Amino acid sequence: AQTVTQSQPEMSVQEAETVTLSCTYDTSENNYYLFWYKQPPSRQMILVIRQEAYKQQNATENRFSVNFQKAAKSFSLKISDSQLGDTAMYFCAFMKHVGFNKFYFGSGTKLNVKP
Amino acid sequence: DTGVSQDPRHKITKRGQNVTFRCDPISEHNRLYWYRQTLGQGPEFLTYFQNEAQLEKSRLLSDRFSAERPKGSFSTLEIQRTEQGDSAMYLCASSLGGAFPQPQHFGDGTRLSIL
Repeated sequence: AQTVTQSQPEMSVQEAETVTLSCTYDTSENNYYLFWYKQPPSRQMILVIRQEAYKQQNATENRFSVNFQKAAKSFSLKISDSQLGDTAMYFCAFMKHVGFNKFYFGSGTKLNVKP
Repeated sequence: DTGVSQDPRHKITKRGQNVTFRCDPISEHNRLYWYRQTLGQGPEFLTYFQNEAQLEKSRLLSDRFSAERPKGSFSTLEIQRTEQGDSAMYLCASSLGGAFPQPQHFGDGTRLSIL
């Protein structure tokens, strides 16, 4: 079974600063995919960034980057130059390579960006 | 790309009643997913369709739940004899198929409240 753990229920950061959200997962799979999704208040979930487990290079999307440590089964999200619009719930998600038919989500981290 | 559409946005009903939700995926997406999200938790997988075929169902999907995707277009999720524990946000997502996992695009969800 796959499990995803986000140990930080809530975090705050000042506008323009950097924040890192943690995620660990447990799996016996060797090939899989990891994602971060953002869910703004009362709005739909949006993909932030994705990482293929077979790639050693950490994914980057503008101000968002990940630190993927496969051996440690860790997948943290770094948000640089935080903006007010980054305020949201952030979910870490795991997907197996075989079939890739569903996500296993963590419980989420609520990020508050303060002006 | 008009996005994933879900109807209704909110549903309030008495315990024991039947409810039906609808999801219209992005038109060219052949994969469709249903998730359930309770307060303070990440979404949990319920079921998955590829075209009109329902390929996987979670153990969370009891006999009171049924999902369909006639003609591989929109999907419906029906809950019969609703219970208090069914209160949750029901999310629909869709994606393209292919050799590699494609991002799942989520709808706004249907929030179900059982009185």
